[in-house]
Amino acid sequence: QVQLQESGPGLVKPSETLSLTCTVSGGSISSYYWSWIRQPAGKGLEWIGRIYTSGSTNYNPSLKSRVTMSVDTSKNQFSLKLSSVTAADTAVYYCARDYSSSWYPWGLFDYWGQGTLVTVSS
Amino acid sequence: DIQMTQSPSSLSASVGDRVTITCQASQDISNYLNWYQQKPGKAPKLLIYDASNLETGVPSRFSGSGSGTDFTFTISSLQPEDIATYYCQQYDNLHTFGQGTKLEIK
Repeated sequence: QVQLQESGPGLVKPSETLSLTCTVSGGSISSYYWSWIRQPAGKGLEWIGRIYTSGSTNYNPSLKSRVTMSVDTSKNQFSLKLSSVTAADTAVYYCARDYSSSWYPWGLFDYWGQGTLVTVSS
Repeated sequence: DIQMTQSPSSLSASVGDRVTITCQASQDISNYLNWYQQKPGKAPKLLIYDASNLETGVPSRFSGSGSGTDFTFTISSLQPEDIATYYCQQYDNLHTFGQGTKLEIK
């Protein structure tokens, strides 16, 4: 059974960079897309972006200028960096497997981490 | 960008009721739509994929239909454990979620 676990600081200062890592266990990270999704308290889900194990990325246009994703297949991990954060970036951040079929490059989220709360505050 | 408009935003129903949630896309997305259930403090869980396919292990009281721009999610007989927030998600281009529907027991 594939499992995902987010890790990283729970508190980030305004204007600094949020950094999170997702560790995948129970299966290989290879040959899949992996996404980051966030959810402010009491609000809906926002897709941040995804990375393929080759390093290819797709980002939400609304966040693209501040987002960088990377992958380390040797550690079965992928990471998120979000720069110049403000209080509006305070949210629970989820990592998820972004499963797509062989005939279409976009699809569904079938495995999720438990989520990690990141608060932006001085 | 494709926008997803989900309604209602909240819904109160009784155990045994038939519950329907709708999701409208801002452009034709074929059947590239999924539905998720999220319980408080938990990650979302996939229920329906490709608009109408039931994920393995999900009870048959859950169903989905639609194509193009208009989609429907139905619980045929509401159970107490179905209390949650439900989200639609399009994957025609990038990923976009609906705003969510919070389902409560009357």
